[in-house]
Amino acid sequence: AQSVSQHNHHVILSEAASLELGCNYSYGGTVNLFWYVQYPGQHLQLLLKYFSGDPLVKGIKGFEAEFIKSKFSFNLRKPSVQWSDTAEYFCAVNPGGSSNTGKLIFGQGTTLQVKP
Amino acid sequence: DTAVSQTPKYLVTQMGNDKSIKCEQNLGHDTMYWYKQDSKKFLKIMFSYNNKELIINETVPNRFSPKSPDKAHLNLHINSLELGDSAVYFCASSPSYNSPLHFGNGTRLTVT
Repeated sequence: AQSVSQHNHHVILSEAASLELGCNYSYGGTVNLFWYVQYPGQHLQLLLKYFSGDPLVKGIKGFEAEFIKSKFSFNLRKPSVQWSDTAEYFCAVNPGGSSNTGKLIFGQGTTLQVKP
Repeated sequence: DTAVSQTPKYLVTQMGNDKSIKCEQNLGHDTMYWYKQDSKKFLKIMFSYNNKELIINETVPNRFSPKSPDKAHLNLHINSLELGDSAVYFCASSPSYNSPLHFGNGTRLTVT
């Protein structure tokens, strides 16, 4: 069965520190990859996505992620975090191609706390 | 204008009651979804509809019944509510299976 694993459950950083959140998935075929952010008390918002092409994708608010096919990974990065980045971050996968039903499989989420 | 709107935002009810959550999207998307977020913030798909047709029905108790009167609406009816149904329920929509999902603000259901 497909699954998504986020290694960091709770990350605490000071402002201006660099961020990297790990995400690995288990699926052998073509995948679409996503990172969503959920600010406290709000709905999920798309940070960035990867469908094909350049494995380094840039998203909103200075976030980027790199797809490494050989490692089944899609790690999220930001060079300098801000207090406003405090939120829950979710990695998600759905299979691309003809078998895609739109079903997103989410990781467990990573809580990021940025100290001012 | 809210793209995906859910009502109510909060729902507190007693065990055994029947309740409904409504969802509407004004994005013109063909596909709509219901996701459940548990107390540990884990998100799991429950149902999806494409143009009023049921596409995904995960292993959800049959006390949960989705209804899609048209492609802009996907409601969730829950019978005989149980304590374990307490969660945040998110509606979402997308224009196609390969597109990102647009989520509603969620409905926090508390069963006492």
